[in-house]
Amino acid sequence: DAKTTQPTSMDCAEGRAANLPCNHSTISGNEYVYWYRQIHSQGPQYIIHGLKNNETNEMASLIITEDRKSSTLILPHATLRDTAVYYCIAFPPSAGNMLTFGGGTRLMVKP
Amino acid sequence: DTGVSQNPRHKITKRGQNVTFRCDPISEHNRLYWYRQTLGQGPEFLTYFQNEAQLEKSRLLSDRFSAERPKGSFSTLEIQRTEQGDSAMYLCASSTAIQETQYFGPGTRLLVL
Repeated sequence: DAKTTQPTSMDCAEGRAANLPCNHSTISGNEYVYWYRQIHSQGPQYIIHGLKNNETNEMASLIITEDRKSSTLILPHATLRDTAVYYCIAFPPSAGNMLTFGGGTRLMVKP
Repeated sequence: DTGVSQNPRHKITKRGQNVTFRCDPISEHNRLYWYRQTLGQGPEFLTYFQNEAQLEKSRLLSDRFSAERPKGSFSTLEIQRTEQGDSAMYLCASSTAIQETQYFGPGTRLLVL
């Protein structure tokens, strides 16, 4: 699996968009970009994933650069409940592959 | 869809005791994963089942650890002769054969005294 690099921490004002960057310069053609988040003392929560195209769901948007070397997770209107550690993972969706979590980004949403 | 469930949610045990955790995956998910997470770190893969077959094991899974999924539904993770270094959150996830997104349970937090 390709290694991903994320900032250790970020702050965001409540109600504003939170833009979380991720670098995955060694990503291979069949590796999806997955985002999970983990709120304190809970299991990781799936947010979104994508391969080449930008993706949007009810939780967030995922913007992947054309060269696929980086991506940005966007929470359009951050709330205090979005405070969590956000993990970006490059994941080949083939049988048996485990998710390799890095350190993630600790997002603090402030009032 | 009731999500992945894990029991117990918390377990405190004394060093040397055996513990067993249970994971119930999302129904009809034939793949089940176990991860371990220590304080301040991201989850680390332990092992993976497809139906009842255990297909992959991490080097983290020492001989004191054993996982089973006897009927291809729920799974158990047993730790024998627990050590203080086993204190961690043990996470279970499941996925379907077609869509690989893994959905996690709430975890079992183990404290070995």
